[in-house]
Amino acid sequence: GAGVSQSPRYKVAKRGQDVALRCDPISGHVSLFWYQQALGQGPEFLTYFQNEAQLDKSGLPSDRFFAERPEGSVSTLKIQRTQQEDSAVYLCASKIGETQYFGPGTRLLVL
Amino acid sequence: GENVEQHPSTLSVQEGDSAVIKCTYSDSASNYFPWYKQELGKGPQLIIDIRSNVGEKKDQRIAVTLNKTAKHFSLHITETQPEDSAVYFCAASKDTGTASKLTFGTGTRLQVTL
Repeated sequence: GAGVSQSPRYKVAKRGQDVALRCDPISGHVSLFWYQQALGQGPEFLTYFQNEAQLDKSGLPSDRFFAERPEGSVSTLKIQRTQQEDSAVYLCASKIGETQYFGPGTRLLVL
Repeated sequence: GENVEQHPSTLSVQEGDSAVIKCTYSDSASNYFPWYKQELGKGPQLIIDIRSNVGEKKDQRIAVTLNKTAKHFSLHITETQPEDSAVYFCAASKDTGTASKLTFGTGTRLQVTL
């Protein structure tokens, strides 16, 4: 079956622009996570949804980061007024049982 | 919060040899320990996992061991093949069924040479 998909795969933004990153989880997966992966590092937790409820946003680095999952399936991570330090790969994962299944990520480059 | 340390950061082995990657964690309440393989340009892929009520788990050429007392766990790959070359991440979480964010190590770049 289809795995987790993310779009776009690559995004180049000028500093100060807003960006929106999309995640399509595996159908039926209730739990959805966003992680940020800096170059050469492990993924770091950003936020977690159970259905449409955002239950944990403790990892969001600033109020410029906003995530939503209005119908409990597709999720969007929005970054306002992008900064160079936002350059990273943004990974989405959906979960069933114990296992988190990751998408391919969106590589964001802020110039 | 949880802190996961991973060693070594790079590992080069000859084809057919074994590879061992070690991780330590700080939160004694963590109870789920997955290992992920990440190839260039792709997302992490689960290769094996272990829960805290188990000391060892094996799946073909891959095995994981867990020492709860010492708070460390290890990945063992035997008979390595070139396609095993990738970055490997360990992770830990307090799995509560749904809300179980993963805390990752910094990764080990494994290179299997011919």
